[in-house]
Amino acid sequence: GAVVSQHPSRVICKSGTSVKIECRSLDFQATTMFWYRQFPKQSLMLMATSNEGSKATYEQGVEKDKFLINHASLTLSTLTVTSAHPEDSSFYICSARDGRQSNRGTEAFFGQGTRLTVV
Amino acid sequence: DQQVKQNSPSLSVQEGRISILNCDYTNSMFDYFLWYKKYPAEGPTFLISISSIKDKNEDGRFTVFLNKSAKHLSLHIVPSQPGDSAVYFCAASPLTSYDKVIFGPGTSLSVIP
Repeated sequence: GAVVSQHPSRVICKSGTSVKIECRSLDFQATTMFWYRQFPKQSLMLMATSNEGSKATYEQGVEKDKFLINHASLTLSTLTVTSAHPEDSSFYICSARDGRQSNRGTEAFFGQGTRLTVV
Repeated sequence: DQQVKQNSPSLSVQEGRISILNCDYTNSMFDYFLWYKKYPAEGPTFLISISSIKDKNEDGRFTVFLNKSAKHLSLHIVPSQPGDSAVYFCAASPLTSYDKVIFGPGTSLSVIP
């Protein structure tokens, strides 16, 4: 089945540095990918929609200059957390849907998630 | 304002019995609903879905019921197994952006052997 791979799975960085997280669709093309963030014991909050070849669409309250999203190809989207601070520590997850599936009844596939810790 | 609600943060069920997880939504533009299962430090995995044109969808031990007028859906797991212990997220997708999935806060299910 379709697989979405996310890298790295865990990263620890110093406050003020930037961290890049990759999300790849391994056996399908994804014109749209989604980035979520999960705080401990809370739900997955949609941060932004990554669109191949165009600007990402950010949800209300998400700083687009802080969370840079690039979707340069049909199989890769990246999320860069710029000038990270301890409050950015969280679990980040991407998702993608097989663009070949025109049927509405297919689910989005999720990456394994990235645990970011800013110290 | 939370558009997808799961009012029970946790649920404990005896092995072999039925688990019922509830979900309510407020956005009438939602027309596709999904349930995901999630283990700690992993991404969610798809479980079952239902379109708004249906009121029931069944897949093995899992059945999802949708009551559109009440804006309510539920996931039934029968019989419950210890391996079902996980966090279950109800999610919804709007007609205008069907790739977008909005999650509820989740219900932690514990199936006791």
